[in-house]
Formats: sequence, structure tokens, C-alpha cells
Amino acid sequence: DAGVIQSPRHEVTEMGQEVTLRCKPISGHNSLFWYRQTMMRGLELLIYFNNNVPIDDSGMPEDRFSAKMPNASFSTLKIQPSEPRDSAVYFCASRRQVGANEQFFGPGTRLTVL
Amino acid sequence: KQEVTQIPAALSVPEGENLVLNCSFTDSAIYNLQWFRQDPGKGLTSLLLIQSSQREQTSGRLNASLDKSSGRSTLYIAASQPGDSATYLCAVNSSGYALNFGKGTSLLVTP
Repeated sequence: DAGVIQSPRHEVTEMGQEVTLRCKPISGHNSLFWYRQTMMRGLELLIYFNNNVPIDDSGMPEDRFSAKMPNASFSTLKIQPSEPRDSAVYFCASRRQVGANEQFFGPGTRLTVL
Repeated sequence: KQEVTQIPAALSVPEGENLVLNCSFTDSAIYNLQWFRQDPGKGLTSLLLIQSSQREQTSGRLNASLDKSSGRSTLYIAASQPGDSATYLCAVNSSGYALNFGKGTSLLVTP
């Protein structure tokens, strides 16, 4: 299995630009998570999808953030417009709904907003 | 809200030592607890998952224990090696899906 795939691995953009982060979960996993990691706040959940449906988006910081999961093998996290305080590492994770409930993480996207 | 604390924040040991990393959490009503390893600039690698009904899990030189009633978990690393150097994160699942993470313990194993 290829594991969780994220792209791009690094993104540098200027304030005000739109940023789109992409995630492909592990095949057969029906739960998908977006987390954000910063030095100050550590790892925090942004949004949780189950069977492609957003279940909990209470961690999405502002309306500038949006996430979609059009099918079981693809999800996007979009920031529009981006701000310097959005600079962080964004992780996507997936798991099977039943069973051990172990979450598997992708390599992350390091976002820098200038 | 579930608060997860990891002590110590950083640890340096000589190669070959056995060591214990600590994790505490405020709400004992959990589904499971997961230990991760994070190398600099990399993603999170799952090490061990302990269900709420379990007391411990073992994988190779790693052993994780869980005491739900006291809100504690420990990760025991036997015969440490320089390749074990990384940040170790404890994460608690209290909601059934979301993980609440500690800030991690940064481990350095010196040759």
C-alpha cells in the first residue's frame, strides 16, 4: 500500500493568494482527517470526513478555509485568501471506520505564506 | 476538553539505555491512545495503538502501557539506539474520531 499521499510537499505563496492542498487516503479507508501543526499550538484537527461527508469542521479556523472530498480517494483543503499566520505543516490522515481505528498520516505539506 | 501533556519535553540519553516517555490526559473517558514518532521535517509514523480496554501493547523494543483511571500512558523503549532519535507524540481519542495530541518529547540518543 502506498500510504497516505499529499501534494505538494512544500508550498510558498504570497499573502492573498489561493492555496490548494491535496490528499489521497489509503485505499479502503473511509475516514479522512486534516490536521495542522504549528510550534505554538502543536497538532490540531481541522476537519473530519466519514464516507466523503464532512462530520466535524469545528476546527476550521475561519471562512477562508474550506475542504472537500468529492470521492473516496481524493480530498482538498483550500485557503483563500492566504495569510502569513496560515504558515504551518498541514497533515492528512486516514483510517478504517471499523476495527482498530488506527490513524495513518501522510508526509504533510509545509506551507509558507509570505 | 481533553488536555494531553507529555513529560519531559526533551530527553538526551546515551546509546543502550532503557527509557520511559510519559503522557498524561485529563479525561479518562477515551476510546484509544496512539503513540507516534515524528522525524524532523517528516510525517507521523504510528508506533502503537492501545484500545481503552487494554493495559499494554508491545512492538519490538517498544512497550506502551495505559492506565485509564489515572489518565496516564508510558512508552518504554528498550536498549535505545541513535536511530531512535526523533520526537514522540502521544495522542488520545476521546470523541471516537479526533485525536488530541500532546506537544511531544524530543529524544536524542547519543552514540
